[in-house]
Amino acid sequence: KAGVTQTPRYLIKTRGQQVTLSCSPISGHRSVSWYQQTPGQGLQFLFEYFSETQRNKGNFPGRFSGRQFSNSRSEMNVSTLELGDSALYLCASGLAGNTDTQYFGPGTRLTVL
Amino acid sequence: AQTVTQSQPEMSVQEAETVTLSCTYDTSESDYYLFWYKQPPSRQMILVIRQEAYKQQNATENRFSVNFQKAAKSFSLKISDSQLGDAAMYFCAYRSQNNAGNMLTFGGGTRLMVKP
Repeated sequence: KAGVTQTPRYLIKTRGQQVTLSCSPISGHRSVSWYQQTPGQGLQFLFEYFSETQRNKGNFPGRFSGRQFSNSRSEMNVSTLELGDSALYLCASGLAGNTDTQYFGPGTRLTVL
Repeated sequence: AQTVTQSQPEMSVQEAETVTLSCTYDTSESDYYLFWYKQPPSRQMILVIRQEAYKQQNATENRFSVNFQKAAKSFSLKISDSQLGDAAMYFCAYRSQNNAGNMLTFGGGTRLMVKP
């Protein structure tokens, strides 16, 4: 079974631009979660989608948004990029319930100049 | 809100030796899950081991085992017969069983170095 895939793997943007990252979960998984990893703040939960609905949301500004499609693929969008948005963005997928284990993708490295 | 603390930013172990990574957490919940994830230089997060809080028996996966002390809110990872490929960042994570979601709360991580 193929693992979680994320595209693109690397991205360079400038301040003020917006960016869209994509995550394809493991086949059959309906939950997709997003995390931001930075040296200063560590790993922080952004949001989780399940069956096209946002199920949980972390403490991030409204510039960070996401969505999930009917095939469970998910996208996250960051508008008006700031230098502090430079990070590794990790996506994780799980089956459905909160008894399941989540599996992570390789991440997207975003650099904001 | 739950918090997870890993008090050892870096640890070092000789190849073939045993090392223990510490993790403590704070929660008022009684039902939850605890995880150890490994993040090698490739940055891919890999699940090492998982523990359900309602289970008294400590989880074991080959060379990896945990010491789960629920009353003390402690969840340490023991790596036996350390190998060079074990060198990585290790993250302890908590997940509540009380909500329907899969949100993980992570500790700050421990960098493990393995000396040949």
